[in-house]
Amino acid sequence: NAGVTQTPKFQVLKTGQSMTLQCAQDMNHNSMYWYRQDPGMGLRLIYYSASEGTTDKGEVPNGYNVSRLNKREFSLRLESAAPSQTSVYFCASTTGGIYGYTFGSGTRLTVV
Amino acid sequence: GIQVEQSPPDLILQEGANSTLRCNFSDSVNNLQWFHQNPWGQLINLFYIPSGTKQNGRLSATTVATERYSLLYISSSQTTDSGVYFCAVEGSGGSNYKLTFGKGTLLTVNP
Repeated sequence: NAGVTQTPKFQVLKTGQSMTLQCAQDMNHNSMYWYRQDPGMGLRLIYYSASEGTTDKGEVPNGYNVSRLNKREFSLRLESAAPSQTSVYFCASTTGGIYGYTFGSGTRLTVV
Repeated sequence: GIQVEQSPPDLILQEGANSTLRCNFSDSVNNLQWFHQNPWGQLINLFYIPSGTKQNGRLSATTVATERYSLLYISSSQTTDSGVYFCAVEGSGGSNYKLTFGKGTLLTVNP
């Protein structure tokens, strides 16, 4: 099925460990986004990629890095995980305008 | 940056009731979307509606851009309507479809 695929769905890390969250879309969308969702906070933008080859910071980029590997894939890396990064992470993509966002199913990350 | 406020924060309904969810935003927008997050966490786009009115089945939305608010109407609610409803906007100066989300309205529909 067409859509946005995120892996893994669940992950537990120890403080200081690193990991990469993967996101891939097969809808030929230009723009991709990483959001985090915390209780009572809505979704906050971490990083985005308006097009292949470009990335920019969002509202809460500290502690994260991203790579737009190609048009399909946009990964999010935590170099040294901290308990404050415990959250649910969502990847989204869009071709813009009336088509709206398509979200992945999320990655629930716990840092202990 | 642009601010988004949603009300009410929580809403409990009996099946069959109607409801109105409100989204206020602090600046002019060129992109406004409503999303439903179901109890399993999946986010589904309901409407792209920076202005005007749209309807999709029992759901409809109206955005009055000049007064900086949007309304989501749910008629004849069903238990499957339960979840969190988010409003998200991009300010008119934006160009990369970056959305700022409100904190959501948690809707519970009881049978």
